[in-house]
Amino acid sequence: NAGVTQTPKFRVLKTGQSMTLLCAQDMNHEYMYWYRQDPGMGLRLIHYSVGEGTTAKGEVPDGYNVSRLKKQNFLLGLESAAPSQTSVYFCASSVAGGPFEQFFGPGTRLTVL
Amino acid sequence: GENVEQHPSTLSVQEGDSAVIKCTYSDSASNYFPWYKQELGKRPQLIIDIRSNVGEKKDQRIAVTLNKTAKHFSLHITETQPEDSAVYFCAASTVGAQKLVFGQGTRLTINP
Repeated sequence: NAGVTQTPKFRVLKTGQSMTLLCAQDMNHEYMYWYRQDPGMGLRLIHYSVGEGTTAKGEVPDGYNVSRLKKQNFLLGLESAAPSQTSVYFCASSVAGGPFEQFFGPGTRLTVL
Repeated sequence: GENVEQHPSTLSVQEGDSAVIKCTYSDSASNYFPWYKQELGKRPQLIIDIRSNVGEKKDQRIAVTLNKTAKHFSLHITETQPEDSAVYFCAASTVGAQKLVFGQGTRLTINP
């Protein structure tokens, strides 16, 4: 099993460009999450999903959109990237009915110039 | 909503000594408290967790204690080793909240 995977691993964008980060999990987890990690700020929740076709806002949702069309995939979109969105992005998943352990992907390092 | 404060932000200890990291939380309804370890350039991974029906949990050299009255919980690492060097995150959650709130992280360095 691959667990949680993220695509791409690295990306450099110019201000105003758009992109989509893909998270995939093969553990049949119901819940999926997108976090951003900045120095000294810990892991901050952007959006999350508790099942296929559902999404909810987290702590820092502005400037991001998400979609969960398939249970195993959770997409994070940046419509118009800003330098403030330079960060490391982690996806995570967990079984339902918790809270239970969250399994993290390897991360995507995004730089917005 | 829930707020989790973690201290210290950096901690340096001699190999073989003990390390303690503390977290406080604001929501008295929180009942699940995990600790994650993140090695340099890697993903966070769960190392231990505790639920509010117990006051302490141990797993070899690591332990977590919970004080519900004071709303704080701590990670204790004994006989520290170089491989314990990492960033540690605490978190809190309530039943039905479906999400975790993380502390700001502690960078632990073990000096040989």
